[in-house]
Amino acid sequence: SQTIHQWPATLVQPVGSPLSLECTVEGTSNPNLYWYRQAAGRGLQLLFYSVGIGQISSEVPQNLSASRPQDRQFILSSKKLLLSDSGFYLCAWSLLGGANTGELFFGEGSRLTVL
Amino acid sequence: AQSVTQLGSHVSVSEGALVLLRCNYSSSVPPYLFWYVQYPNQGLQLLLKYTTGATLVKGINGFEAEFKKSETSFHLTKPSAHMSDAAEYFCAVCHSGGYQKVTFGTGTKLQVIP
Repeated sequence: SQTIHQWPATLVQPVGSPLSLECTVEGTSNPNLYWYRQAAGRGLQLLFYSVGIGQISSEVPQNLSASRPQDRQFILSSKKLLLSDSGFYLCAWSLLGGANTGELFFGEGSRLTVL
Repeated sequence: AQSVTQLGSHVSVSEGALVLLRCNYSSSVPPYLFWYVQYPNQGLQLLLKYTTGATLVKGINGFEAEFKKSETSFHLTKPSAHMSDAAEYFCAVCHSGGYQKVTFGTGTKLQVIP
């Protein structure tokens, strides 16, 4: 069966410090990968998606970047965190191509607090 | 373009009462529709989905939803609320394509009163 792991689960960082959140999927190949940010009362905002190694699409301009160094690994990064980067970050995967019915499989989330 | 509107950011029901969470969507092409549930500090879990075929869709934990094209709605229901149903529920929409961009509603927090 497929599983998705995200870490760290909780992170408290000072303003201006770097960030690295990691997500790994197991049990499937060539997944679509996604990073979402969740803010209270605002639903889920898609930040980045990837359809393959090294292929990253950004949905919104921001202080964050994403990378996909391996097929099932997705990393969210920042060089210098802002207060506004605080939030709950969710990694997700879906099937690729014709098998994809839009269903997303989410990780447990990473709560980032920037002080 | 597609969008999702969830009416009511907070809904309270008594234990054993009917649960009704409302979702309306807009989409320029036939949509795929989803309901996800999120427990505190956890990721989202799929409750049910509609892609094609039967418009009444049954999901996990006794939930079901009906796709009504004429009303552009996909409301979530459960006949009898249980304390364990207290969570946040998200409606989502996408359409078929090479890359499927999923749009989420802003969520409805369900409180179940004993």
